[in-house]
Amino acid sequence: DTEVTQTPKHLVMGMTNKKSLKCEQHMGHRAMYWYKQKAKKPPELMFVYSYEKLSINESVPSRFSPECPNSSLLNLHLHALQPEDSALYLCASSPGGFNGETQYFGPGTRLLVL
Amino acid sequence: GESVGLHLPTLSVQEGDNSIINCAYSNSASDYFIWYKQESGKGPQFIIDIRSNMDKRQGQRVTVLLNKTVKHLSLQIAATQPGDSAVYFCAEPNGGSNYKLTFGKGTLLTVNP
Repeated sequence: DTEVTQTPKHLVMGMTNKKSLKCEQHMGHRAMYWYKQKAKKPPELMFVYSYEKLSINESVPSRFSPECPNSSLLNLHLHALQPEDSALYLCASSPGGFNGETQYFGPGTRLLVL
Repeated sequence: GESVGLHLPTLSVQEGDNSIINCAYSNSASDYFIWYKQESGKGPQFIIDIRSNMDKRQGQRVTVLLNKTVKHLSLQIAATQPGDSAVYFCAEPNGGSNYKLTFGKGTLLTVNP
């Protein structure tokens, strides 16, 4: 299994809502990532979990809250988002954060904040 | 190379032609490079990678060339097909962290039937 799955595929939420994005991989990877991607731009790193511990937070606003319940799952909890947070949210995983390893991406969740 | 600003570099080719997508990188110490393909509405898909001890690597219909002297990377797609239409990103590890990738701005490849 070389796949990273993400749910939901699409999400529309109001600025007062609370929602969660989910990501799962069964490749035995120990590093998992959240990226945000705006149209016609490359992905921007938000968070990295390494061996289920938060390793990197790229100064992301606290309305985004990541969680790694186990080595296969990664969540992104959303609360009080702004319209400018509308984007494609991508999850990725890699074997272990070693030098020169490939990150494998999921299909993304298209988020629209109204 | 990559342009600046909001404009995505574009390449338009006829079906069956060969395509060459270019990428300039900045970190001369980079020792690993990845090409990703991103179709509309999908996540980036790994295509091929290359390490700095090589100057060429071939996959199925794709070849990556690395010129370390001028810090230039290219992706060649042979016999381009409509299914190859996508945005292509090069990426390299961001110096100092094994977790961070520096992505190029991307090139939009359009294949005309």
